[in-house]
Amino acid sequence: GAVVSQHPSRVICKSGTSVKIECRSLDFQATTMFWYRQFPKQSLMLMATSNEGSKATYEQGVEKDKFLINHASLTLSTLTVTSAHPEDSSFYICSAYAGGADSGNTIYFGEGSWLTVV
Amino acid sequence: GQNIDQPTEMTATEGAIVQINCTYQTSGFNGLFWYQQHAGEAPTFLSYNVLDGLEEKGRFSSFLSRSKGYSYLLLKELQMKDSASYLCAVRDPAAGNKLTFGGGTRVLVKP
Repeated sequence: GAVVSQHPSRVICKSGTSVKIECRSLDFQATTMFWYRQFPKQSLMLMATSNEGSKATYEQGVEKDKFLINHASLTLSTLTVTSAHPEDSSFYICSAYAGGADSGNTIYFGEGSWLTVV
Repeated sequence: GQNIDQPTEMTATEGAIVQINCTYQTSGFNGLFWYQQHAGEAPTFLSYNVLDGLEEKGRFSSFLSRSKGYSYLLLKELQMKDSASYLCAVRDPAAGNKLTFGGGTRVLVKP
């Protein structure tokens, strides 16, 4: 079935630095990928919708200059957390729309990335 | 706006059945998804309903009534490993086909 891979699974960075998280669709092309963050014991909060070849669409309250999203190909989207601060520490998850009847017309998630800013 | 409601927590006994309800109010509708999420892990896909009725997959079944804005996930023959959060999500074409999630239901299976 469809697989979405996310890397790194865990990263620790110093406050003020930037961190890049990659999301890849391994066996299908994803024109649309979604980025979420999740705090402990809370549900997923959509941050932005990443569209291949165009600018990402950010949800209200999400700073686009802080969370840079690039969707340069049909199989790769990246999220860069710039000038990270401890409050950015969270679980970041990407998902991709597989599309079509063969894929169950569903959306699959990557494994998630734990970011800790110290 | 969009509103998706599901209970916060449920407790059940190993071997029993549990039903997790989800009600939704969205501008549009293009499918309802159920995901399982264990603590510290990403969600895994369980089921997808776009037409009314029951979808059965082994021990898990999902039901949808579009007219009522209602779905449920049924877990049969509960196992300890089923202890997890279960997320209901609706895809809304009026919102760019993105998924909007409910708050999740934490299910605790006791021996």
